[in-house]
Amino acid sequence: RKEVEQDPGPFNVPEGATVAFNCTYSNSASQSFFWYRQDCRKEPKLLMSVYSSGNEDGRFTAQLNRASQYISLLIRDSKLSDSATYLCVVNIVRDTGFQKLVFGTGTRLLVSP
Amino acid sequence: GAGVSQSPSNKVTEKGKDVELRCDPISGHTALYWYRQRLGQGLEFLIYFQGNSAPDKSGLPSDRFSAERTGESVSTLTIQRTQQEDSAVYLCASSRNEGSNQPQHFGDGTRLSIL
Repeated sequence: RKEVEQDPGPFNVPEGATVAFNCTYSNSASQSFFWYRQDCRKEPKLLMSVYSSGNEDGRFTAQLNRASQYISLLIRDSKLSDSATYLCVVNIVRDTGFQKLVFGTGTRLLVSP
Repeated sequence: GAGVSQSPSNKVTEKGKDVELRCDPISGHTALYWYRQRLGQGLEFLIYFQGNSAPDKSGLPSDRFSAERTGESVSTLTIQRTQQEDSAVYLCASSRNEGSNQPQHFGDGTRLSIL
């Protein structure tokens, strides 16, 4: 099982739609979670951190479900400019205590007029 | 600097040549990471530095790949005897410290093409 799994998509939605992505992780000891955005042929950029109580930043809402070991990203009122690949990032804790961030392979979103 | 700086932006070289890629992290960031991303694929972790030591080299694909870092500054990724499958974008990221609760900030990447 992959440490971080995402549906690769693509998710095709019209402008104005609400769309949600889920990401599952395997390590129950994980404590830190992020969503990154990557535009075509560009570097990943931090979109938002994910906090235990859930958090919102404008049209974007991130939530964490520890019991089921998944995080979600909800985008409301989709814009054409939201078209990108969304990367789920989770810190993985090894048995040795060593931790590192692991990136999912991303979910591609296409917003059409 | 304001952000992570990588050079060169693009590198085209012949199979069998050695290449050296450079990363200059954000000032004050002690942790530095190298990733590889092939076209249409996800990020592939290569190596992580904390200061100038590398506690995790697990992602280096072969002994042709090596990396070093001087102090808490510039890192170089060296690929010897390049092969066509090495063609990819090589991304560098830095974060404030080794704690993985800190987000990583990426450079623009080096696009490497092996002919």
